[in-house]
Amino acid sequence: EVKLLESGGGLVQPGGSLRLSCAASGFTFTDFYMSWIRQPPGKAPEWLGVIRNKANGYTTEYNPSVKGRFTISRDNTQNILYLQMNTLRAEDTAIYYCAELGFDYWGQGVMVTVSS
Amino acid sequence: DIVMTQSPSSLAVSAGETVTINCKSSQSLLSSGNQKNYLAWYQQKPGQSPKLLIYLASTRESGVPDRFIGSGSGTDFTLTISSVQAEDLADYYCQQHYSYPRTFGGGTKLELK
Repeated sequence: EVKLLESGGGLVQPGGSLRLSCAASGFTFTDFYMSWIRQPPGKAPEWLGVIRNKANGYTTEYNPSVKGRFTISRDNTQNILYLQMNTLRAEDTAIYYCAELGFDYWGQGVMVTVSS
Repeated sequence: DIVMTQSPSSLAVSAGETVTINCKSSQSLLSSGNQKNYLAWYQQKPGQSPKLLIYLASTRESGVPDRFIGSGSGTDFTLTISSVQAEDLADYYCQQHYSYPRTFGGGTKLELK
């Protein structure tokens, strides 16, 4: 059974940093592109970025809205996807999901609140 | 970036009705190489992650009831739900998977009349 489990969310002050993790199981992690998507309360999802699979050199693509502040990485020995978020703003408040969009695997999401 | 515009933003329906949700992209999602349209439809129920219903504009994901029908090409797409069931009350989003960054429409909330 495929499982994606996010962790690391919580309350952070504006300007702060947070690293989210997504533990993957039930599939060959290195074969798949992995994405981060966020969804502010009551709003549409926003795709943040993707890290490609082994065959494509684990390269990344980002949404311009977060490029330079957010970094996606992966630990392929432990099957963990990461999202490093820096210089956080109130508008980054959202539920953050990790996902493998090709096969529609999604985690349950983790809430990040940026507030003083 | 490709901008996705959905309409209507909300829709009140009775069980058994047929509903249509529209999605327009700011540029064509049709690949000249394979003549496929890179447009997906998602359903999201409260407290859940989005669930893929349709990809490549008209291909139903495994297990999705055949009352969900995707159509359209180029920049104009439609999700039709025939004979709406109570379990279909949810938010619906279109998303282009033609280019990066992937972009979603603003959503359509399907509510009970």
